Amino acid sequence: DAMVIQNPRYQVTQFGKPVTLSCSQTLNHNVMYWYQQKSSQAPKLLFHYYDKDFNNEADTPDNFQSRRPNTSFCFLDIRSPGLGDAAMYLCATSRDRGPETAKNIQYFGAGTRLSVL
Amino acid sequence: RKEVEQDPGPFNVPEGATVAFNCTYSNSASQSFFWYRQDCRKEPKLLMSVYSSGNEDGRFTAQLNRASQYISLLIRDSKLSDSATYLCVVNLIGSQGNLIFGKGTKLSVKP
Repeated sequence: DAMVIQNPRYQVTQFGKPVTLSCSQTLNHNVMYWYQQKSSQAPKLLFHYYDKDFNNEADTPDNFQSRRPNTSFCFLDIRSPGLGDAAMYLCATSRDRGPETAKNIQYFGAGTRLSVL
Repeated sequence: RKEVEQDPGPFNVPEGATVAFNCTYSNSASQSFFWYRQDCRKEPKLLMSVYSSGNEDGRFTAQLNRASQYISLLIRDSKLSDSATYLCVVNLIGSQGNLIFGKGTKLSVKP
């Protein structure tokens, strides 16, 4: 059974129309991450939550926001999608963070593929 | 210098071949190392963690050389189902332990 679930699997939106992607987890992990991955590129971390503590990456555009209302759920909001935001968006979780290997293994959801028309 | 560097490939090998992937990382203080596998248009999945002593899981062997800041993955007796992109992943000390992904090495195993 999937432990990190992303919905929807495919999302089509119009240029400038806000869109929300969702992620839920059954692992009870402390940390939830959002990545953007474009074709033939490495996943790029956008931000993560450590419990309720939000941590934004320095180069993440303001157009991207996130919410984590409880341990299980995390949302990615794209306020005004541009053509360049078309990508696979991956949610991941880890038990904890820091140097200890076992605790920072990340488990990924199947991703949401976003198309912007 | 990029934080995690991998040969992008593609590596095209016949079934049964042995193939080795290499990865270098720039942050000497990194402490966690992983190989992830990503199938086309799917999510990354953990293949194995990499420890200083080296570790083996069936046909897969991972090695870490801290002095050279080098990680390797060896796949023996390649199967068609091994075709995927293999991502080298390293944690980034000083950034709350966030993981940094290499771009991946693409492997194609042919009959």
